[in-house]
Amino acid sequence: GESVGLHLPTLSVQEGDNSIINCAYSNSASDYFIWYKQESGKGPQFIIDIRSNMDKRQGQRVTVLLNKTVKHLSLQIAATQPGDSAVYFCAERPGAGSYQLTFGKGTKLSVIP
Amino acid sequence: EPEVTQTPSHQVTQMGQEVILRCVPISNHLYFYWYRQILGQKVEFLVSFYNNEISEKSEIFDDQFSVERPDGSNFTLKIRSTKLEDSAMYFCAVRPTGRNQPQHFGDGTRLSIL
Repeated sequence: GESVGLHLPTLSVQEGDNSIINCAYSNSASDYFIWYKQESGKGPQFIIDIRSNMDKRQGQRVTVLLNKTVKHLSLQIAATQPGDSAVYFCAERPGAGSYQLTFGKGTKLSVIP
Repeated sequence: EPEVTQTPSHQVTQMGQEVILRCVPISNHLYFYWYRQILGQKVEFLVSFYNNEISEKSEIFDDQFSVERPDGSNFTLKIRSTKLEDSAMYFCAVRPTGRNQPQHFGDGTRLSIL
């Protein structure tokens, strides 16, 4: 979900469980979406992307779902591992020839061993 | 392994001084971006660069900022007269050719203005 001020929403899950991270995006014209993972002291790392003409895309242990009706994006991580602990950002591309990304405020995922 | 190397990893500068942040792509990319992330906040777009020209820029990217690719390899962000509020992580990103390709980020430069 969205954060308020400096406080990131936090999701705590047990190792081995599935995680679902949600994101509400702002621009109904956005045509491309990306999930990034950011570990402490590092840059955003690409996880998975999806175009606006799709509603689901699967990768290795990750699935992204797109609901354009309510402008909602989710990232599902199967069998969550300690190495998945990080801050996760969704990013949207506004379309109409623009390639700049607008990032959400992030969700902190903590995996409990 | 990031697709870009950023230097320095940490830069401490007095307010009013000029800083140059550098980005070196690992492979031959054509599309370059700078973003910044103020501590605890979300990543914000600054500028995109293609074919030796700025393609897009945000409101943050005012006259104090400039970008260039002086030798066809390094991609630089210059801040002419730094302000306290310029303190942030600055990330360079590259994008492969092709419309629906993700941007890949470096590990950033932490800029601290005193």
